[in-house]
Amino acid sequence: AQSVAQPEDQVNVAEGNPLTVKCTYSVSGNPYLFWYVQYPNRGLQFLLKYITGDNLVKGSYGFEAEFNKSQTSFHLKKPSALVSDSALYFCAVRDISYFNKFYFGSGTKLNVKP
Amino acid sequence: EPEVTQTPSHQVTQMGQEVILRCVPISNHLYFYWYRQILGQKVEFLVSFYNNEISEKSEIFDDQFSVERPDGSNFTLKIRSTKLEDSAMYFCASSETGAGGYTFGSGTRLTVV
Repeated sequence: AQSVAQPEDQVNVAEGNPLTVKCTYSVSGNPYLFWYVQYPNRGLQFLLKYITGDNLVKGSYGFEAEFNKSQTSFHLKKPSALVSDSALYFCAVRDISYFNKFYFGSGTKLNVKP
Repeated sequence: EPEVTQTPSHQVTQMGQEVILRCVPISNHLYFYWYRQILGQKVEFLVSFYNNEISEKSEIFDDQFSVERPDGSNFTLKIRSTKLEDSAMYFCASSETGAGGYTFGSGTRLTVV
């Protein structure tokens, strides 16, 4: 079965500092990994994905994520956090072997303080 | 860029009433999905639909839920007799086959009072 884990319910970081939001995965077969962001009372906004290729994936709004096969991790990073980055972040894995459904992590609330 | 459109964006209904949430998937997509997110919690898979039938459903998707593709463009989720605990954000999604495009709608917030 496919699953993702986000070990931190909340991450606090000061504006201008680097941020990391952690995600580990468990999949059978090749992982198709995603990050989504959700602002309050809004829908899911796609940030980036890893399917194949370079382990460092660049996405929207200056975010990037590093795929690490040996550690089964796909941590989201940004070199310099903005207050406007404060939101709920979801890691997800897509299971293309069986009707293509997504498995989402429990979410990590990112708080960026001025 | 093509979008998955969901209507309404917010619906308030009384407990026990029937609601229909509507979605217009991307036109060349073949798979359709509903997901649910209770406020502040993770997004959970409800059901997938392919070739005019349910292909998979979760344990959440009990007899009070049903899905339909009434015409060539709409995909609906019906909740027959709503309960307070059905209050959530409901996301529709559609996808191509394999590792092709997969798009989520912006969601319908359902509030049961």
